[in-house]
Order: sequence, then C-alpha cells, then structure tokens
Amino acid sequence: NAGVMQNPRHLVRRRGQEARLRCSPMKGHSHVYWYRQLPEEGLKFMVYLQKENIIDESGMPKERFSAEFPKEGPSILRIQQVVRGDSAAYFCASSPPDRDQPQHFGDGTRLSIL
Amino acid sequence: AQTVTQSQPEMSVQEAETVTLSCTYDTSESDYYLFWYKQPPSRQMILVIRQEAYKQQNATENRFSVNFQKAAKSFSLKISDSQLGDAAMYFCAYHSNSGYALNFGKGTSLLVTP
Repeated sequence: NAGVMQNPRHLVRRRGQEARLRCSPMKGHSHVYWYRQLPEEGLKFMVYLQKENIIDESGMPKERFSAEFPKEGPSILRIQQVVRGDSAAYFCASSPPDRDQPQHFGDGTRLSIL
Repeated sequence: AQTVTQSQPEMSVQEAETVTLSCTYDTSESDYYLFWYKQPPSRQMILVIRQEAYKQQNATENRFSVNFQKAAKSFSLKISDSQLGDAAMYFCAYHSNSGYALNFGKGTSLLVTP
C-alpha cells in the first residue's frame, strides 16, 4: 500500500507568489490533516479535513492560507502572496475514520521563500 | 489547551546502550492518546509507538517501550540496545479522545555514538 504522498518535495517561491501543496492520503483514509514545522520546532496543527468538508481550521492563519479536500483528487494547501515567514516544512497526515487509529504522515513539502 | 513538554533538547547514547527520553503533558481529559514519532535527517515523520490512556499496560514495540504514568502525566520512551539508525529527533505527541489534532512537544535530538 502506498503511504501518504505529498508533492512537491521541495518548493521555491518568490515573495508575493502563490504556493500550492498537494497531499494524497493513504488508501482507505478519508481524513486529512495539515501541520507546519518551523525550524527547530515541533509540528503545529493547521487544519483537519474530510472529503469536501473543513472540520477544524483553528490552526490556520486567518489570511492568505486555505485548504480543500475535493471529492476527487488530492487535498490542497494553498498559500497566497507568500512571505519569508511562510518558509517551513508542511506535513500532511491521514487516518481512517476510526478515532483510535493513528495518523500516518507524508514526507513533507519544504517551502522556501526567496 | 493541552501542552506537551520535552525537557531534554538533546540526548546522547552509546551504541547498544539504553536511553530514556522524557515527556510530560498537561490535560484535563481522562481519555486520550499519546505517541512518540521519530524524525530522522530525511525529515520523514515515523510513528514509533502509541499508548491509549485507558490502558494501564505500557506499550512495547521491539526495542522501544514506554513508561506511562497517568497520575503524573508522564510518558517517557525507552530505547534499548540503541543502534546508529536510531539517531533522530524524537517528538512526543498527544490528542484527546474527543479531538484529532496532534499536539507535539518541541522534540529531543538523539545522538548515537559508536
């Protein structure tokens, strides 16, 4: 079984551009989570989605950040008008509907802002 | 809000020896899950071990075991017969039974010396 797939692995953007990060969950997983890891820090929760629904976006910055998980296709984390402070590793995790099943992580996307 | 504290920024162990990484957490919930994740230099997030709070028996996965002290809100990870491949950042994480967002500590960097 393929694990959680994230792409791209590395993404470089200039200030003011848009960044799109993709995540395909593991087969059979319908729940997707996005986390951000700043240098020398642990992961911070951003958003939790199920198919076509945002369940909890309490960790998302109020502006420029959005996430979706359409009926077909991967989950997308979108950052508009990127700034230097957005440089980080962004991890996606997925899990099945059972709450007691652990989240499995992708390899992350390292976003660098020039 | 739940917080997870890892008080050891760095630890070192000799190959074949045993090391214990500390983690404490703060919660008012009675039912929750605790995890240890490993992040090697490749930056993947790998689930090492998990513990359900309602289980008194400490979880074990091969050379990895935990010492779960619910009253003290302590969840330490013991690595036996340490191997060079164990060198990584180790993150302790928590989520409540009513929630889903993982709360991570800041991590402990483990160095394994020959």
